[in-house]
Amino acid sequence: GENVEQHPSTLSVQEGDSAVIKCTYSDSASNYFPWYKQELGKGPQLIIDIRSNVGEKKDQRIAVTLNKTAKHFSLHITETQPEDSAVYFCAGEGRFGAGTRLTVKP
Amino acid sequence: EAGVTQSPTHLIKTRGQQATLRCSPISGHTSVYWYQQALGLGLQFLLWYDEGEERNRGNFPPRFSGRQFPNYSSELNVNALELEDSALYLCASSLPRDRGTDTQYFGPGTRLTVL
Repeated sequence: GENVEQHPSTLSVQEGDSAVIKCTYSDSASNYFPWYKQELGKGPQLIIDIRSNVGEKKDQRIAVTLNKTAKHFSLHITETQPEDSAVYFCAGEGRFGAGTRLTVKP
Repeated sequence: EAGVTQSPTHLIKTRGQQATLRCSPISGHTSVYWYQQALGLGLQFLLWYDEGEERNRGNFPPRFSGRQFPNYSSELNVNALELEDSALYLCASSLPRDRGTDTQYFGPGTRLTVL
């Protein structure tokens, strides 16, 4: 089955800086990789996803890149804002990474 | 379109009691997943139901059980509650897997506290 590893577990950045969270997966047949954001007291919410037939997808300040050869995918947040502070989870084939707690300092 | 709903929002029980948590999926979704999230940590997979059948189960003892009803809503039961069962229990739903996507949409969770 799929294993998804996520790094780092915590990330602190200054407002306006970029943040990058990386995940690796083991099943080369995996073809769908969503990212979720969980704010305090709420359930995780889908923020962006990517399928294996593309290498990059962008939505305003967030982007996801996929390297199928290396079996890793990354979430990029540019121009971070305090409201980006949350826990972020990657997923692959229904399995979730352990999560990254992002703190954006004003 | 209504999202995934869960009830109750909070539940307080004592050790040894039983807890029942409920989940209503998004209309048209046939799969329901249950996760345990302790102390804001990672999502621990509990159960996956699809079309009324249990499809997969995480590494949890048998006192964690559930079912899915004909209308695709689901119930999670935890028997003989232990203190370490205190956690946020999240339910998620998705379209049938053969629709080409397994995006899971989460509810707000039920906060279970065992005293």
